[in-house]
Amino acid sequence: GIQVEQSPPDLILQEGANSTLRCNFSDSVNNLQWFHQNPWGQLINLFYIPSGTKQNGRLSATTVATERYSLLYISSSQTTDSGVYFCAVNQAGTALIFGKGTTLSVSS
Amino acid sequence: KAGVTQTPRYLIKTRGQQVTLSCSPISGHRSVSWYQQTPGQGLQFLFEYFSETQRNKGNFPGRFSGRQFSNSRSEMNVSTLELGDSALYLCASSFRTQETQYFGPGTRLLVL
Repeated sequence: GIQVEQSPPDLILQEGANSTLRCNFSDSVNNLQWFHQNPWGQLINLFYIPSGTKQNGRLSATTVATERYSLLYISSSQTTDSGVYFCAVNQAGTALIFGKGTTLSVSS
Repeated sequence: KAGVTQTPRYLIKTRGQQVTLSCSPISGHRSVSWYQQTPGQGLQFLFEYFSETQRNKGNFPGRFSGRQFSNSRSEMNVSTLELGDSALYLCASSFRTQETQYFGPGTRLLVL
């Protein structure tokens, strides 16, 4: 089945710093989503982005489907950005497969 | 619009018992998926339902089962609980399959 790899596994930042999280996938996909899981376990959908670029406030994402990767950019990070960021993909008719996530810690 | 709701939020059971978890999707959403999250295995897909039909099933033993009702609400059942079933069980809904998924807060199950 399709493999999803996220890097880095852990990231520690000072408030105000910028960061880039990467998601590589091993085959073509129909769907790619980025999620943020807060410390209480709630998964929040950030982007649905099978290709192209999207922005939402301080967050933006780019997926280059032909090269099988996606990037999540976080600018001017805040302590509330802490948590685990997951990339998930699926192919036609298949279930959503999650990467292992990037754990982000932002300190003030 | 109300989000995805899951009940109960926390549950403690003993080995051998069975458990039923419930998920109410966002109004108008017809697809419901279930996931198990553990520290060791991460987020793993259990099953997906659309219009009361199971569309996909993950690689879990037959002790794990689910169903979806005509109002799109879904339940999952785990029979003969094992210690390894302790996990956060997450439900997600979407308008159709293969679309943006919205997750509920999860049910934390502890098996003693």
